[in-house]
Amino acid sequence: DIVMTQSPLFLSVTPGQPASISCKSNQSLLYSDGKTYLYWYLQKPGQPPQLLMYELSTRFSGVPNRFSGSGSGTDFTLKISRVEAEDVGVYYCMQSIQLPLTFGGGTKVEIK
Amino acid sequence: QVQLVESGGSVVQPGKSLRLSCAASGFIFNDYAMHWVRKAPGRGLEWVAVIWYDGSNENYADSVKGRFSISRDNSRKTVNLQMNSLRGEDTAVYFCARDDQRGSGPPMDIWGQGTTVIVSS
Repeated sequence: DIVMTQSPLFLSVTPGQPASISCKSNQSLLYSDGKTYLYWYLQKPGQPPQLLMYELSTRFSGVPNRFSGSGSGTDFTLKISRVEAEDVGVYYCMQSIQLPLTFGGGTKVEIK
Repeated sequence: QVQLVESGGSVVQPGKSLRLSCAASGFIFNDYAMHWVRKAPGRGLEWVAVIWYDGSNENYADSVKGRFSISRDNSRKTVNLQMNSLRGEDTAVYFCARDDQRGSGPPMDIWGQGTTVIVSS
């Protein structure tokens, strides 16, 4: 199974400031079709997870452009350019290059 | 609108069985694979199982293999999770999510609200 490792576990951010979450996989998520099968989800309190980014760097429909995804192979980053109050919750990376699908342990983001 | 609604969660004793259902609406159900993902208290998201869009294949997490079974009824637009030999560590909120297997969309773009399973004596 592919192991996904996120850091930090917890992030406290002042509104308007940037934030960055790291995710590492123990196998490359770059497939032969040229796509990187890395996704980012946010689970807000009391809600189901919602898709933020797919295939490394494509924002899902309706996701604000303050969110961006980058990286390659096994090292990935989700960046929020200017954190807003509505961004609180737990962020998860996930890989879908092979089954079983696996998630990172999560990064909890709170607002200072 | 596109919607997934889970049901069937309950409090159940260890060793017993439970069947969860997920009803889909607002999209072409038989174009999509369907996943179950769970969130246990104090833990992160854990993928549980997937069934292909046509029901031709299934795959399970090692933690549930041999105890859980996923199925679907495309005529009724439902996907089920039969959970047998339940353990305390199966206590979680269970979510269903769709996967655009026949298209180019991302997996798990739409999720249900979840249904709670508590395994306790």
